[in-house]
Amino acid sequence: EVRLVQSGADVKKPGESLKISCQGSGYDFTNYWIGWVRQRPGKGLEWMGIIYPVDSDVRYSPAFQGQVTISADKSVSAVYLQWSSLEASDTAIYYCARHRGQLQRQFLDSWGPGTLVTVSS
Amino acid sequence: EIVMTQSPVTLSVSPGESATLSCRAGQSVRSNLAWYQQKPGQAPRLVIDGASTRATGVPARFSGSGSGTEFTLTISSLQSEDFAIYFCQQYNGWPPTFGGGTKVVIK
Repeated sequence: EVRLVQSGADVKKPGESLKISCQGSGYDFTNYWIGWVRQRPGKGLEWMGIIYPVDSDVRYSPAFQGQVTISADKSVSAVYLQWSSLEASDTAIYYCARHRGQLQRQFLDSWGPGTLVTVSS
Repeated sequence: EIVMTQSPVTLSVSPGESATLSCRAGQSVRSNLAWYQQKPGQAPRLVIDGASTRATGVPARFSGSGSGTEFTLTISSLQSEDFAIYFCQQYNGWPPTFGGGTKVVIK
């Protein structure tokens, strides 16, 4: 069974940094791209970017390029999403999701439970 | 980026009836269209990929159709567990984009 386990909820102040994680199990972690999706409170889904854990090839949505950093550590089957300086508008649930299909033609076939990030002064 | 528009925003349906959800793409996405179901407090779950292929474990009452710019998700004989928000997503253009969602509620 494919399983994606995400780090727990976090509360930060504006300007602080944060790194959240997603650990995969139950499948060949190195054989799939994994990406991140944002969902602001009561809103829809926004695709942020993906990474290939084998070589850490990363592709960002233009809307998130330069705003976040996606990284991976294949030795522990984990991918990460990182902010250097959070803003209140980053308050959201962040989902990691396994992608399936050819690069740039991929859908999300398994999702993690989400990590709630709250940014408030 | 390709804009995805879903309609209606809210669909009120009685249990046992069928529901038809629409998704329109701003330009052709061929058959590279997925549908996801999201229940309150839960992560989305893949329902349909390739516009019409049911994901593993998805009941046969869910069916998807369409290609190009017009797509439909039909849920026949709605069960209590089907009341949720449904999102479409295109994965033909870059970046992948989602529709705003259709909330299916009990009538």
